[in-house]
Amino acid sequence: EAGVAQSPRYKIIEKRQSVAFWCNPISGHATLYWYQQILGQGPKLLIQFQNNGVVDDSQLPKDRFSAERLKGVDSTLKIQPAKLEDSAVYLCASSAGQWHEQYFGPGTRLTVT
Amino acid sequence: AQKVTQAQTEISVVEKEDVTLDCVYETRDTTYYLFWYKQPPSGELVFLIRRNSFDEQNEISGRYSWNFQKSTSSFNFTITASQVVDSAVYFCALSEALNTGGFKTIFGAGTRLFVKA
Repeated sequence: EAGVAQSPRYKIIEKRQSVAFWCNPISGHATLYWYQQILGQGPKLLIQFQNNGVVDDSQLPKDRFSAERLKGVDSTLKIQPAKLEDSAVYLCASSAGQWHEQYFGPGTRLTVT
Repeated sequence: AQKVTQAQTEISVVEKEDVTLDCVYETRDTTYYLFWYKQPPSGELVFLIRRNSFDEQNEISGRYSWNFQKSTSSFNFTITASQVVDSAVYFCALSEALNTGGFKTIFGAGTRLFVKA
C-alpha cells in the first residue's frame, strides 16, 4: 500500500513570495490533515478535511494560508505571502476516520529567507 | 481545554536500560483517543499505538508497553531493554470531539530519546 506522498521535499523562498505544497493521501482515507512543525516542537494542526469539507481550520492563518481538497482526494496548501516565521516542516497526514491513527508523509521543509 | 504535556524534553540512556516517557493530558470530554508516535531522525512520524478513553487495559507490544491511567490523566510509554534504533523523538497526542461533530488532534511537544551504545 502506497503511503502519503508530498511534494516538494524542500523549498527555499524569499519573504513575501508565494509557495504551494501538494499532498496525496493513502487511497481510501477520508480524513486529511496539514500540520506545521517548527524545529523542536510538536506538529500543530493547520487544517483538517473530512472528504472535501473542512472540519477544523481554527489555527490556519487565513490572511496568508489557504488549503483545498478538491474531489476529496489530494490537497494543496498555499502560503501567500510568506513570512520568515513560516519556516518549518509542513506535514500532511491521512486517516481512515477522524479518531483513527494518522499516517504521515515525509514532509516539506520550507525555508523563508 | 485540550492539552498534552510531555514534561521530559530529552532523555539519555545507555543501551539495554529501560526508559519511561511520560504523557499527561487534559480534556473535558469523556470520549477521547490517545496516541503515541515516533519521529526518527529521518523525520517521518510513525504511528505506535491508539487507545480510547474507555479502554484502560495496559498494552505490551514486544519491548514497548503503555500504561493508561484515567485517574491521573496519564498515558505513559515504556521501552524495555532500549536499543540504539529507539533513538527518536516521541510524541503523545490526544483526539477530542469538536462541537461541530468532528475530532481534533493535538500533539505534545515531544520527548527526544537518546540511546547510547
